[in-house]
Amino acid sequence: NAGVTQTPKFQVLKTGQSMTLQCAQDMNHNSMYWYRQDPGMGLRLIYYSASEGTTDKGEVPNGYNVSRLNKREFSLRLESAAPSQTSVYFCASTITGVTGELFFGEGSRLTVL
Amino acid sequence: EDQVTQSPEALRLQEGESSSLNCSYTVSGLRGLFWYRQDPGKGPEFLFTLYSAGEEKEKERLKATLTKKESFLHITAPKPEDSATYLCAVQALLGGNNRLAFGKGNQVVVIP
Repeated sequence: NAGVTQTPKFQVLKTGQSMTLQCAQDMNHNSMYWYRQDPGMGLRLIYYSASEGTTDKGEVPNGYNVSRLNKREFSLRLESAAPSQTSVYFCASTITGVTGELFFGEGSRLTVL
Repeated sequence: EDQVTQSPEALRLQEGESSSLNCSYTVSGLRGLFWYRQDPGKGPEFLFTLYSAGEEKEKERLKATLTKKESFLHITAPKPEDSATYLCAVQALLGGNNRLAFGKGNQVVVIP
């Protein structure tokens, strides 16, 4: 099983460009999440989707938008990238939002110049 | 606001040298405390869930324990393959759906 698949794995953008990070899970999970991880900081929640058709802001949502396309897919969009959005982004999923036992993808490393 | 502090930030161990990692937390009612392992360039991998003080979980050379204020991850007779960053996270009983607060991690290097 693939688990949680993120694309792309690496991306370099110029300030002001837009892009979408894709995430898909094949575990029939209901809840999906986008986190960012920066040096010296813990994982921070950007947005989450408790179930298909719902999305909610996390700790650091500014500058991002999300779409829960269907039960399997949850995308993260940067409309106008800024250097402060240089980070490693992780998508995660879990069977239900009650549990903290998350399954993570391998990450997408984004650099904004 | 839920807070998680992990110490030490970095730890170098000789193979076979047992040690413990600390995760101190403040949360308004604990739903669960979670330990993850993260290898360089990879996503975190779930290890343990602890729900109440006094609870213990074991997996191979790792043992996680929980008190009302902190959790310990004990590494017994570590091997080089135990080298990783270990992340601690807490989930509050109240508040948003599955909002986990993560610590910054304990980076462990086991030297052969």
